[in-house]
Amino acid sequence: AQRVTQPEKLLSVFKGAPVELKCNYSYSGSPELFWYVQYSRQRLQLLLRHISRESIKGFTADLNKGETSFHLKKPFAQEEDSAMYYCALTPRGGSNYKLTFGKGTLLTVNP
Amino acid sequence: DAMVIQNPRYQVTQFGKPVTLSCSQTLNHNVMYWYQQKSSQAPKLLFHYYDKDFNNEADTPDNFQSRRPNTSFCFLDIRSPGLGDAAMYLCATSRATGMNTEAFFGQGTRLTVV
Repeated sequence: AQRVTQPEKLLSVFKGAPVELKCNYSYSGSPELFWYVQYSRQRLQLLLRHISRESIKGFTADLNKGETSFHLKKPFAQEEDSAMYYCALTPRGGSNYKLTFGKGTLLTVNP
Repeated sequence: DAMVIQNPRYQVTQFGKPVTLSCSQTLNHNVMYWYQQKSSQAPKLLFHYYDKDFNNEADTPDNFQSRRPNTSFCFLDIRSPGLGDAAMYLCATSRATGMNTEAFFGQGTRLTVV
């Protein structure tokens, strides 16, 4: 079974402060991890994926297989980062294409 | 240039009256997903297709059915909607292989049951 856990339902920081959204996963095979973001009244969209190892809007996330974590980080939060963030997992390879989401973390960046 | 289109955006149906939600895509992706998202909750996977192969989640009620007549279209049928089925329904697509396996989401259909 595949599972994604986001322990924080709500996270509130001040503008300019560092932010870290936690994500842990459980999957016996080789997973592909994503962070999706949902801004107010917009569709769910990809923020970044672990395979790309890229920084999007100042956010980065590193896959730690030992700790089975994929935490999302940004050194200096901006007000426009306020949104709902979902960590998601899909198996790599094989015939299972199930995409599973964590419960999400609502990030609020205060001025 | 929307790539995953859901119709309608808002649907009101009567308790027990069958309703169909539709999703179309222009990406030619072979995987299509249907999610149910209730207020302040994560998207919950109902089922997904790989081409015509249908994969139902174990906890998806029998009241929910799906059809995928071709690559571009996928339908969610709710046979007898209950008040508890009121939610946002999200359709998504992805490519099964290669580097770009991200899912693309539609805007969703908000279902109200009266």
